[in-house]
Amino acid sequence: NAGVTQTPKFRILKIGQSMTLQCTQDMNHNYMYWYRQDPGMGLKLIYYSVGAGITDKGEVPNGYNVSRSTTEDFPLRLELAAPSQTSVYFCASSSQGQGIHNEQFFGPGTRLTVL
Amino acid sequence: AQKITQTQPGMFVQEKEAVTLDCTYDTSDPSYGLFWYKQPSSGEMIFLIYQGSYDQQNATEGRYSLNFQKARKSANLVISASQLGDSAMYFCAMREAYSSASKIIFGSGTRLSIRP
Repeated sequence: NAGVTQTPKFRILKIGQSMTLQCTQDMNHNYMYWYRQDPGMGLKLIYYSVGAGITDKGEVPNGYNVSRSTTEDFPLRLELAAPSQTSVYFCASSSQGQGIHNEQFFGPGTRLTVL
Repeated sequence: AQKITQTQPGMFVQEKEAVTLDCTYDTSDPSYGLFWYKQPSSGEMIFLIYQGSYDQQNATEGRYSLNFQKARKSANLVISASQLGDSAMYFCAMREAYSSASKIIFGSGTRLSIRP
């Protein structure tokens, strides 16, 4: 199993540009999550999904959109990039949504800089 | 509302010493889980240890143990015999049993540096 994979690893955007961060998991997990981590800080939840076709907002959803057309994929879309979106983005997944003991598995992260 | 607090932004420890990383939490849900993750300088998030609110014993995983004091709402991570490779950011996190989509909330982290 590859686990959770993310592409790209690094990206520099200009203000106002758009891009999609890709996330794929091969563990057949129903729950998937997008986090951002600002320098020296913890992770903040952007969006999450409980299954294909179902998504919901987390703590900091403004400026982002998601979709979940398959169990495996959970792309994050940035529209009109702003410097405040400079961050490291992590995708994560977990199995059996209501099982509190199930840890989240994280992708390697995407480092995004908006100039 | 749930909340995770890590009061130690950074710590320095001599190699081979034990170290305790503090974590306190706040929840009104009687059923919850507590997690610790390690983030080395390479950036990935590595799951270390889990403690359930109803677990009778403190969790242990190799050199990692969790000092769970339910009445004080604390879940401190203890690393025994620290190694240079333990230098990293450490995050405490919590999931409530009835949280929507089993969301995990993270603390702000503690940066641990091990001195040779």
